[in-house]
Parts: sequence; structure tokens; C-alpha cells
Amino acid sequence: LAKTTQPISMDSYEGQEVNITCSHNNIATNDYITWYQQFPSQGPRFIIQGYKTKVTNEVASLFIPADRKSSTLSLPRVSLSDTAVYYCLVGETGFQKLVFGTGTRLLVSP
Amino acid sequence: ETGVTQTPRHLVMGMTNKKSLKCEQHLGHNAMYWYKQSAKKPLELMFVYNFKEQTENNSVPSRFSPECPNSSHLFLHLHTLQPEDSALYLCASSPSARTLGRPEWGGLYTQYFGPGTRLTVL
Repeated sequence: LAKTTQPISMDSYEGQEVNITCSHNNIATNDYITWYQQFPSQGPRFIIQGYKTKVTNEVASLFIPADRKSSTLSLPRVSLSDTAVYYCLVGETGFQKLVFGTGTRLLVSP
Repeated sequence: ETGVTQTPRHLVMGMTNKKSLKCEQHLGHNAMYWYKQSAKKPLELMFVYNFKEQTENNSVPSRFSPECPNSSHLFLHLHTLQPEDSALYLCASSPSARTLGRPEWGGLYTQYFGPGTRLTVL
């Protein structure tokens, strides 16, 4: 299983762009990179997923360099409601077995 | 609302009690999962069911007993728990527990999580 490393916490202000980088040096060829968001006392919620280059949806963008050893989740113009824990996961091929790390606790202030 | 419901949302039980957690998904998925989230610890995968067959038991103590009678329902039967078992228990579902195969065909099936059951063992 590829292990992920991400910052424990980040602070930002409303309206700013937030970039959270995740390292996954041992990512396997068929592994995908997935990001989840979790609010207190709730289950994680899928944000975005990618394999290489750039993926964008209505919530975020995901940048993956050619070597795929890291990825960056970009949240444009964050608001107070984006305060949450963000998890970077690398998916195992075969039977799906998501391994959650400690995540990045993002605090957005006014 | 993710389409995955869990009951009860909160549960307090003694170490000698027997209780069950229930999860139901309304998404037509075929895979269901139990996770445990303790305070200040990452989510831990406990069990995986794919098409009602258990495919993963992540070294979970036998005092936790899962049951999956059909693809829409998942139970976690609890007995003789310990105080350290107090945690948020999360259920999730996905179309399948297998990946889609070749990367160019698409990604992993997204897992949809329920709101969780906050369990306190006294």
C-alpha cells in the first residue's frame, strides 16, 4: 500500500486559494489518487479523484505531476464552510481498500 | 444526504451489553464497508463486503461481528466491548469493491459514507 504524507494543519482566510500537497512516493502504476473531506462527527465526503495531470470539478482541482509521487488539491476561494479535515488517499488495485492517513486540518478564518 | 443512513446515531452501552449498528444504502451499490474512527486517529477499515460476501476482515476482534443479509443492509453486532472501543463507526458503500481495472478506463469507485454512529462504552 502506498503511504501518504500531508501537512497536519493549514490556516487560510476567506476568499483565498488553498493548496494542500500530498506525498506518495511509493504509488503503484495502477493506483489512483483520491481526496476526501470530513466535517466533525460526519463521514468523509468524496471531493476529487485523478490518475495523472490535472482534474477539475465544480469543487476543486487536482494537480498530479508526471512522476505521480505527489499531488496537490487546490480549493479556489475558500469560505468558512470549507473548514474541515482533508484526506489524500492512494487506492489499491484489485479489491478497493482505502487507507486513510491523519489528514490535513484546514481552518478558514474570516 | 449521501444515500447512506446509519442507526442509531448515538449509542451508550455497558461492557456486558449486546447491541447492533445498522447501515442502509439507497444507492443500488454492491459493496459495503465498516470503518472505525477513534479520537485523534485515522479512519481504520474494519470489514468489506462485496456482493454480500465478506472480502476483508482487517484483524478486527471477534467482539465485533458483521452481517450483510443483502447488498443494501449492513449490520455490526457488538458484544462484550471494551472502553477503548468507543469511537465513531462509519459505514460506506460503493458500486463495487473492485476497481475498474485499467487506469484509462476510469478511477476507483467512490465510497459514499453515512453520518456514523457515535459509540460510547462505559
